[in-house]
Amino acid sequence: GESVGLHLPTLSVQEGDNSIINCAYSNSASDYFIWYKQESGKGPQFIIDIRSNMDKRQGQRVTVLLNKTVKHLSLQIAATQPGDSAVYFCAENNQAGTALIFGKGTTLSVSS
Amino acid sequence: NAGVTQTPKFQVLKTGQSMTLQCAQDMNHEYMSWYRQDPGMGLRLIHYSVGAGITDQGEVPNGYNVSRSTTEDFPLRLLSAAPSQTSVYFCASSTPGQPQHFGDGTRLSIL
Repeated sequence: GESVGLHLPTLSVQEGDNSIINCAYSNSASDYFIWYKQESGKGPQFIIDIRSNMDKRQGQRVTVLLNKTVKHLSLQIAATQPGDSAVYFCAENNQAGTALIFGKGTTLSVSS
Repeated sequence: NAGVTQTPKFQVLKTGQSMTLQCAQDMNHEYMSWYRQDPGMGLRLIHYSVGAGITDQGEVPNGYNVSRSTTEDFPLRLLSAAPSQTSVYFCASSTPGQPQHFGDGTRLSIL
């Protein structure tokens, strides 16, 4: 079936370091991927998305890379700040494109 | 714009009680969805809707009902609450092909 997963449940970095959060997906037909950030007590917040016709997309301090050959997605955060501490989820569209399938999340902890 | 609004924020129920979780969006989004989030399991899709009058089941629909009589509202009903339904519930909305916007959740405990 369809599923999206993450490689590591936790990641600890120092302020100013670059962070890389990884995600593996199983459905080779998936064509849309999204990264969300979830802070304690809040709903998931959109960070960046990428479609399957792209390999890389950049936002402000964030970059998403998509490797369709190995079905791997990553989120890179440059110059990580304490405010980046949160749980990060990757998600993909379901087959109909009407809802999302989420991975289990990676908790990013940033120490200053 | 308020975005996606969920009420209540917290609720405690007894086993067997029924209740409705409310979700409203003011962005004129066609798509709306309900997810539940349990520790260590990410978000799982319960039900979704692609427009008024149209709903469909997600990954974990048992024990929940939905309806979509207007574009703005998508309530989730628990007919007879069970302890296994203790969770955090999130509602989301989007236009087709765009990222989903989430509410801040309803934290539900069933005793």
